[in-house]
Amino acid sequence: DTGVSQDPRHKITKRGQNVTFRCDPISEHNRLYWYRQTLGQGPEFLTYFQNEAQLEKSRLLSDRFSAERPKGSFSTLEIQRTEQGDSAMYLCASSLGRWQLLTDTQYFGPGTRLTVL
Amino acid sequence: AQSVTQLDSHVSVSEGTPVLLRCNYSSSYSPSLFWYVQHPNKGLQLLLKYTSAATLVKGINGFEAEFKKSETSFHLTKPSAHMSDAAEYFCVTTMTTDSWGKLQFGAGTQVVVTP
Repeated sequence: DTGVSQDPRHKITKRGQNVTFRCDPISEHNRLYWYRQTLGQGPEFLTYFQNEAQLEKSRLLSDRFSAERPKGSFSTLEIQRTEQGDSAMYLCASSLGRWQLLTDTQYFGPGTRLTVL
Repeated sequence: AQSVTQLDSHVSVSEGTPVLLRCNYSSSYSPSLFWYVQHPNKGLQLLLKYTSAATLVKGINGFEAEFKKSETSFHLTKPSAHMSDAAEYFCVTTMTTDSWGKLQFGAGTQVVVTP
């Protein structure tokens, strides 16, 4: 399977703990996005990487959240001091990053479902 | 700012009957519009996309959508529903001047298909 993969698929943690999620994009995809989806809502943009550079962060991404993409390959999303409001599905997507196209097609991973108790 | 509104949160159809999922958009610029489908425990999958070429866009699995600027709509249709079409569907937009390509999703329409 050469699609976007995410690990873990499910994470249950206690309030105040730190958690880290990993996303492996499709090989050779330059762009990588993180989104958050809460129950009954559509996904919301969190942050975006072009290769290893983090180019934009949503206001949803508080200072407890940090994302990295070392060497422009996989990405990690860390949440420090988790709160119950952080419970959601965290989705990763990647795209080729062709600047000539109006928009790339974003391919999504299966997501990591976080439950904060 | 660009946004999309999905007019129905739930749609129930009988197998073999047409499906219509309604989406209106709001944008100051020429929008790019998409429909994604999300099956339980699976990732979001692109059904089709409109990027200012043909106004009638054909997608996978027999779905199509028509961009109507006068009505600011991008409704998704399928002539005959299958049981496998039961899923959540998202209308999505991104502003074409936004080179980052970040997507803005509607709230979703849950589709139930009955035998």
